[in-house]
Amino acid sequence: EDQVTQSPEALRLQEGESSSLNCSYTVSGLRGLFWYRQDPGKGPEFLFTLYSAGEEKEKERLKATLTKKESFLHITAPKPEDSATYLCAVLLSSNTGKLIFGQGTTLQVKP
Amino acid sequence: IAGITQAPTSQILAAGRRMTLRCTQDMRHNAMYWYRQDLGLGLRLIHYSNTAGTTGKGEVPDGYSVSRANTDDFPLTLASAVPSQTSVYFCASSDGRASEQFFGPGTRLTVL
Repeated sequence: EDQVTQSPEALRLQEGESSSLNCSYTVSGLRGLFWYRQDPGKGPEFLFTLYSAGEEKEKERLKATLTKKESFLHITAPKPEDSATYLCAVLLSSNTGKLIFGQGTTLQVKP
Repeated sequence: IAGITQAPTSQILAAGRRMTLRCTQDMRHNAMYWYRQDLGLGLRLIHYSNTAGTTGKGEVPDGYSVSRANTDDFPLTLASAVPSQTSVYFCASSDGRASEQFFGPGTRLTVL
């Protein structure tokens, strides 16, 4: 069964305290992996797409990496405005466009 | 501003009633999707459409139907609502099957 698991479920950081979020997957075939940010009461906001192991993408304080079994979202020197739920999703290679989402990591950054 | 609009923003519905959630995108994306988001279960795909005129079933399609008469609109219909359909519903679109999906603001539906 195709599965995406994110850890930890929740993470509390002090402002400036760097950390990483994990997304591990067990799927029949990976076509791509997506990271989203979701603020309370809003729809997910697209952050990154990764297509192959070894690929990295960066945006401000965020950096996403991909291996054959997992992806990491590294947050460097976070600020309170980085507080949100971060979702990862796997696009299967079945060519249907279907995404399988993990349950998310809720990040709280305290000033 | 380009993007996805959903209506209504929220709705309280009596069980057994029919309800259509509306979704419109102005990005001329070929593919559109409907998800539901529930606490502890994450986002789950209900139905999808890869191009106008075609639709497909996702992970949790029972009790829902969709149509795709044109590129921009992708309504989701609950023929006879039940309390287990209480959820937040998100519509999304993408330029292609391998492309990132962009999400609307969501509809919060409560079925009593």
